[in-house]
Amino acid sequence: SQELEQSPQSLIVQEGKNLTINCTSSKTLYGLYWYKQKYGEGLIFLMMLQKGGEEKSHEKITAKLDEKKQQSSLHITASQPSHAGIYLCGADMSGANSKLTFGKGITLSVRP
Amino acid sequence: SAVISQKPSRDICQRGTSLTIQCQVDSQVTMMFWYRQQPGQSLTLIATANQGSEATYESGFVIDKFPISRPNLTFSTLTVSNMSPEDSSIYLCSVELGYNEQFFGPGTRLTVL
Repeated sequence: SQELEQSPQSLIVQEGKNLTINCTSSKTLYGLYWYKQKYGEGLIFLMMLQKGGEEKSHEKITAKLDEKKQQSSLHITASQPSHAGIYLCGADMSGANSKLTFGKGITLSVRP
Repeated sequence: SAVISQKPSRDICQRGTSLTIQCQVDSQVTMMFWYRQQPGQSLTLIATANQGSEATYESGFVIDKFPISRPNLTFSTLTVSNMSPEDSSIYLCSVELGYNEQFFGPGTRLTVL
C-alpha cells in the first residue's frame, strides 16, 4: 500500500475559488514537504513542516501539519491559473536520514 | 535555496546504450539524491550520493545499472546503463540545504526507443 496517500487525485476549480488538498500517512512523519511540479518538469519547493500543529504560509498558499504529524493539508486561497500543476507531498519517514517518500501527486486545474 | 542544473534536459536513446546525466549545484552540499519519476508515477529514490563515499542504493536499484559518481561537493552524475524502454522516465537530482530542506533540479526527460 502507498505510504503517503494524497487526496483528491485530481481537482478542477474555477479561478478565484479556494481549495484544500491533503496528504496522509499511517506513520508519524519527521518532516513533510510540499512541492509543485509542472508537467514533465522539475519540482518547485513550496514548504516544509516538521512540528506538530505547525502552519506556514507563502503568498496565497498555506500548509498545515496536524498535531499527530500524520496528516498535512495545503490550502490555496483565491486560486489562479498559475496555481495549476501537480502538487506532491514528500515525507521523511525514518528521521535517520533525508530520504523522502513521495505521494502520487494531485493534479490541479484552474479554469479561467 | 540553490541553483541546480541538470544536463541533458532531455534525450532520446536507443535500447542497449547508456546515458550519463549531470547534476551541478551552485553551492557545496553534503547530500545529493537521485530520483526517478516514471510516466504517471510519483518519485522513487534511486540512491543517495555523498561526497567521498560510495553511493547508497535503494531496494530495486543496483550499481551496475545506475552507477553514480560524486567527485566533489557541487557535482554528481548518474548513468543509466544498458537502457530499455522501461527506463524511460524523468530523472531528478536533489540536494539538502540548511536544516532538512531539499531542493530539486529541473529533471532530465529520458525516452528509450
